[in-house]
Amino acid sequence: SQKIEQNSEALNIQEGKTATLTCNYTNYSPAYLQWYRQDPGRGPVFLLLIRENEKEKRKERLKVTFDTTLKQSLFHITASQPADSATYLCALRLYSSASKIIFGSGTRLSIRP
Amino acid sequence: DAGVTQSPTHLIKTRGQQVTLRCSPKSGHDTVSWYQQALGQGPQFIFQYYEEEERQRGNFPDRFSGHQFPNYSSELNVNALLLGDSALYLCASSPGGPRQGFYGYTFGSGTRLTVV
Repeated sequence: SQKIEQNSEALNIQEGKTATLTCNYTNYSPAYLQWYRQDPGRGPVFLLLIRENEKEKRKERLKVTFDTTLKQSLFHITASQPADSATYLCALRLYSSASKIIFGSGTRLSIRP
Repeated sequence: DAGVTQSPTHLIKTRGQQVTLRCSPKSGHDTVSWYQQALGQGPQFIFQYYEEEERQRGNFPDRFSGHQFPNYSSELNVNALLLGDSALYLCASSPGGPRQGFYGYTFGSGTRLTVV
């Protein structure tokens, strides 16, 4: 069956450390993968996109890696801050579907001061 | 620059009733997608509208229908509401074309629908 799995447990990180979130997928052929941030009661906010032929993407304190052999993406936030506390969602856009993206269930990240 | 606007923000309906949710896309975007997000879950794709036509549909029953207007705004209609339809309904917009979504989708804050 097709699945997208993210860390089901909430992640608690000390301020200043690097937070690493995982997104694993099975039986999908993604054209690209996106990461979004979602705060309570709000819609997701787009952060980064990485294509299937790219290994790594960076944006300020954010870094995303994409390993299509392992079928895994890692999302890193360096020098984490309490303001980074939110739920982070990964989403796949498939080659077979130009219109929809498929979301994982998200990982809740808490950064403690 | 206004982003995606959704209305209403909250809604309470009774089982069996019908509901209409509204979305205005971000300026410059012509494609609108609707998602349903249950508590603690990721958003699930309902359908997408482009050029006033339903371009693709997710795994949702025909009780869910939509419309896109010439100004690109969109409506989501749900008939014969069930308790399980209680969720956050999100609208996302993007430019259309082959690079759709390449710069991410812009989401509204959603409509919280409660069916009692």
